[in-house]
Parts: sequence; C-alpha cells; structure tokens
Amino acid sequence: GAVVSQHPSRVICKSGTSVKIECRSLDFQATTMFWYRQFPKKSLMLMATSNEGSKATYEQGVEKDKFLINHASLTLSTLTVTSAHPEDSSFYICSAKYRGSRSTEAFFGQGTRLTVV
Amino acid sequence: AQTVTQSQPEMSVQEAETVTLSCTYDTSENNYYLFWYKQPPSRQMILVIRQEAYKQQNATENRFSVNFQKAAKSFSLKISDSQLGDTAMYFCALLTSGTYKYIFGTGTRLKVLA
Repeated sequence: GAVVSQHPSRVICKSGTSVKIECRSLDFQATTMFWYRQFPKKSLMLMATSNEGSKATYEQGVEKDKFLINHASLTLSTLTVTSAHPEDSSFYICSAKYRGSRSTEAFFGQGTRLTVV
Repeated sequence: AQTVTQSQPEMSVQEAETVTLSCTYDTSENNYYLFWYKQPPSRQMILVIRQEAYKQQNATENRFSVNFQKAAKSFSLKISDSQLGDTAMYFCALLTSGTYKYIFGTGTRLKVLA
C-alpha cells in the first residue's frame, strides 16, 4: 500500500525559531501534496496545496510567509513554520496523491505535533 | 461554497451492535466523491470507505457500509458488529474533481463500549 511518512512526529521549539516538517511518499511518486492543520478536537483545515516544481497554493487566511512550503521532488514536501509563536502550536498533517493517477484517494502521514514554548 | 456537516459530535455503541454516523454535504458540482476517514488515538488518518457520486449503488467494505442519498445530499456510515478497535474519530469528507481538495466535516467521536 501507499505509505506517507511525516517527520518529526513531535517537536518542541522556542518562540521565534523556525521548525521544518517533512512529508515523504515512501513507495510512490506524488506530484501533489496537501498540508493540513488540526486544532484540538477539531477538523482538518487545508492550509496549502503543494505541487512538485512549482509554488504552493495557499488557502485564504494562511500566511504564506509564515508557513513556507517546498516540494522539491516527487517524494518530498516540507513545511517550515517560521518565527514560530505559541499560537502556531497545533497538529499538522500532510497527505499525498498519486502522480498522474485518477485515484481520488489521498494518503495521510501520521502527523506532527508542534508545541511552541 | 462546499460544506460538510456532521451533526453528532460524540456517539457510543455497545460492542457487536450497529451504529450509524450522519453526514450531510453541499456542493454545486456534479462530479464529486465522498469519503469516511477514521482517526484513531494514534492520529493516523485511515480511509474507511469511498463513494463516487455518479454511482447509485451504496459502497460497502466488510462491516462498513454507506447510505448515499444524492438528492438529499446525505452520506451516512453504518458500522455493523462494532468492535473495540472501531473507537476513533470519524470524519466525513467531500472531494470535487475540479479542485481535488478535501473538505472535512467536524468529526464524530465514536466510542465502542465493552
């Protein structure tokens, strides 16, 4: 089956620093990856769509300068939270879609819990 | 605007019993897909079942089945013979072929009681 690996699973960083989260498709190529944010006991909110070799498309209200997304290869997308603040603390989840596939199924990483202190 | 509504924040069911989780949605698209995802305490999102809007037949996956009412824009999930491992958060999701963006409902927390 398709596996998406997200790293790290947990990270604690100091306020004002930056933290990078990686999302890798381990056994398939993904031209499109998605980044979500999930607040406690809430739903997943799409932050941005990451396309390999091009700029990410951000959802309304998401600061692109704060949440930097890079999709440099067909198997890796990264989300960098810059100048993190406590309000950025959340659970971040990525998902990936098969390259060139008509399949509608997205495969999810295991998520990253970010705590900014 | 596309929306997904899950009106049951929490539900519980006795082991081996049947439970139905509700979901309604709204979209102006004709070509779309509906999903139920399960998020156990590990937080890993797992696909439970998928339904293509153009198919009239309700999807079934072992103990999981859906009741897809296209005109009513309703997409409920039935879990038969509930097991303790079914305890999780369940999200209903809508995907339109135009945007390929998932819209998630707010989730239903299901607890299966021994």
